[in-house]
Amino acid sequence: DGGITQSPKYLFRKEGQNVTLSCEQNLNHDAMYWYRQDPGQGLRLIYYSQIVNDFQKGDIAEGYSVSREKKESFPLTVTSAQKNPTAFYLCASTKDRGVSVAFFGQGTRLTVV
Amino acid sequence: SQQGEEDPQALSIQEGENATMNCSYKTSINNLQWYRQNSGRGLVHLILIRSNEREKHSGRLRVTLDTSKKSSSLLITASRAADTASYFCATHTWGAGGTSYGKLTFGQGTILTVHP
Repeated sequence: DGGITQSPKYLFRKEGQNVTLSCEQNLNHDAMYWYRQDPGQGLRLIYYSQIVNDFQKGDIAEGYSVSREKKESFPLTVTSAQKNPTAFYLCASTKDRGVSVAFFGQGTRLTVV
Repeated sequence: SQQGEEDPQALSIQEGENATMNCSYKTSINNLQWYRQNSGRGLVHLILIRSNEREKHSGRLRVTLDTSKKSSSLLITASRAADTASYFCATHTWGAGGTSYGKLTFGQGTILTVHP
């Protein structure tokens, strides 16, 4: 089945640690996105990538980093510089850089302990 | 900053009633989309309306778009308990810096509760 897989589903991070969230898609989509969702809130865009080896900052990129070495993979690293990382992280993809519908993974819930 | 602002933040209705959610946005868009999210899950696409369209239907869903007012509404008719979820509007715009990159920005969402 085609889709987007996020892992892990739950992640615990100690203060000062970097952690990496995985996002893989087998839809052959060009564009991929990372969003952060806080309780009762909407989605805020962290980073997005339209093609391999290129990505753009979203509205809240500080404290996060990404890479896009392969079309199907768009991992997100939450660095120690992100002061309040506890949130629900959602990865999405769209077929191309233009008008298209987003497909979402099931999310990773990150908690700082 | 959020492109879309949704209203109301929460809506509680009885089964069989209609539910209307509104979305306002700030900049020119290519299209506007509505998504549904069940608690703790990813979002699922419901319907897309292009900037040159005024109304679109899909099953029990009706979406309108008024680009002069920069607003959209989602109507769910004959609601069911299974419609209980959060609903988000998302605007598709071109990225900054003159690139041809599309950007999808979400609103705060409306929490819909349908009572049996």
